[in-house]
Amino acid sequence: GNSVTQMEGPVTLSEEAFLTINCTYTATGYPSLFWYVQYPGEGLQLLLKATKADDKGSNKGFEATYRKETTSFHLEKGSVQVSDSAVYFCALLANQAGTALIFGKGTTLSVSS
Amino acid sequence: EPEVTQTPSHQVTQMGQEVILRCVPISNHLYFYWYRQILGQKVEFLVSFYNNEISEKSEIFDDQFSVERPDGSNFTLKIRSTKLEDSAMYFCASSRDDTGNTIYFGEGSWLTVV
Repeated sequence: GNSVTQMEGPVTLSEEAFLTINCTYTATGYPSLFWYVQYPGEGLQLLLKATKADDKGSNKGFEATYRKETTSFHLEKGSVQVSDSAVYFCALLANQAGTALIFGKGTTLSVSS
Repeated sequence: EPEVTQTPSHQVTQMGQEVILRCVPISNHLYFYWYRQILGQKVEFLVSFYNNEISEKSEIFDDQFSVERPDGSNFTLKIRSTKLEDSAMYFCASSRDDTGNTIYFGEGSWLTVV
């Protein structure tokens, strides 16, 4: 079946450090891939997306590239800020299988100054 | 920016009681969803709703659960005869279409069954 696996947290970094949060997926066909973020006390927000292989999604300095050969969609940011502290969720939409997003467990990022 | 609003933010209920979680989706959206996240586990899809009927549901969404759009603005999730294992964060979401590109989530309703 379809599934998403992302690295266990928490991830603790100093401001301006490089961030990578790993995400791999299992899916039939060609899913769309997403990163959602949940800031403290808020709902899930779409951070970025990619709908086909080799697409790169980007937003707010975050990037992720859809790698079909490694079934991965790792989230990266070159220089994190304290305000990036949040929970990050990788998700997929199996385009041939309805409207349900399939999420990973979430990775908590804590950035200190 | 438009947002999905959910009430209550936190509810504590006795086992066996019925609970209704409420959501106000974004006004021009056509698709509505409920997801849940049990503490420490993945966010799980429960149900999607379109054109006044369920369009898709997961195996979690059994006869204990029901959804309703009682008027033009609210979208509710009813959980009958709650169990301890229903304790979770329940997220409502809405979208204009079904491509996943424009899904907006609410802040969640935290349900604790005791």
